[in-house]
Amino acid sequence: AQSVTQLDSQVPVFEEAPVELRCNYSSSVSVYLFWYVQYPNQGLQLLLKYLSGSTLVKGINGFEAEFNKSQTSFHLRKPSVHISDTAEYFCAVRSQGGSEKLVFGKGTKLTVNP
Amino acid sequence: DAGITQSPRHKVTETGTPVTLRCHQTENHRYMYWYRQDPGHGLRLIHYSYGVKDTDKGEVSDGYSVSRSKTEDFLLTLESATSSQTSVYFCATRGDFSPYEQYFGPGTRLTVT
Repeated sequence: AQSVTQLDSQVPVFEEAPVELRCNYSSSVSVYLFWYVQYPNQGLQLLLKYLSGSTLVKGINGFEAEFNKSQTSFHLRKPSVHISDTAEYFCAVRSQGGSEKLVFGKGTKLTVNP
Repeated sequence: DAGITQSPRHKVTETGTPVTLRCHQTENHRYMYWYRQDPGHGLRLIHYSYGVKDTDKGEVSDGYSVSRSKTEDFLLTLESATSSQTSVYFCATRGDFSPYEQYFGPGTRLTVT
């Protein structure tokens, strides 16, 4: 079984500041990793995913994440945030063994202030 | 984005009544999922389907049933709604050729009074 821990439930930052949203996972098997974003009153949208290969993954809207197998982490970063990045961000994991089950973290609410 | 619609978008119902939520997709995706989203819990998988009439349970399936008689429609039924089932319900789909990405619908906010 897999589990995901998002270490911060809320992250307030100022516009144009850098941000890091932290995600750690637990799994006894190899996994695929994902970050989703949810804007207010909307469904989830995929930001980026790690399947294999390079541990630095680039996604949409200037976000990137780094897979660290030894630390079982997949932190999300953006060098300069905008007001429009205000949303809730979810880290998710799925085993590579063919399971359909995507396990989500509890979410981190990012608030970008002017 | 996959064309996913959910109906109704909002519903208020009383404890003990049956409720059916509908997910409709236009992308001919084989896989469909129902999640519930609750504050402090993220999204949790209720049931999923891997083809017409083929379904399986997720981590929070108690009190829910599903049916899929057509590729495009996936129904979630609460046989006898309880207040603990007050939540926002999301449908998601994925296709065979995009095995790693799920596309989410806009959600249904269900309140059980």
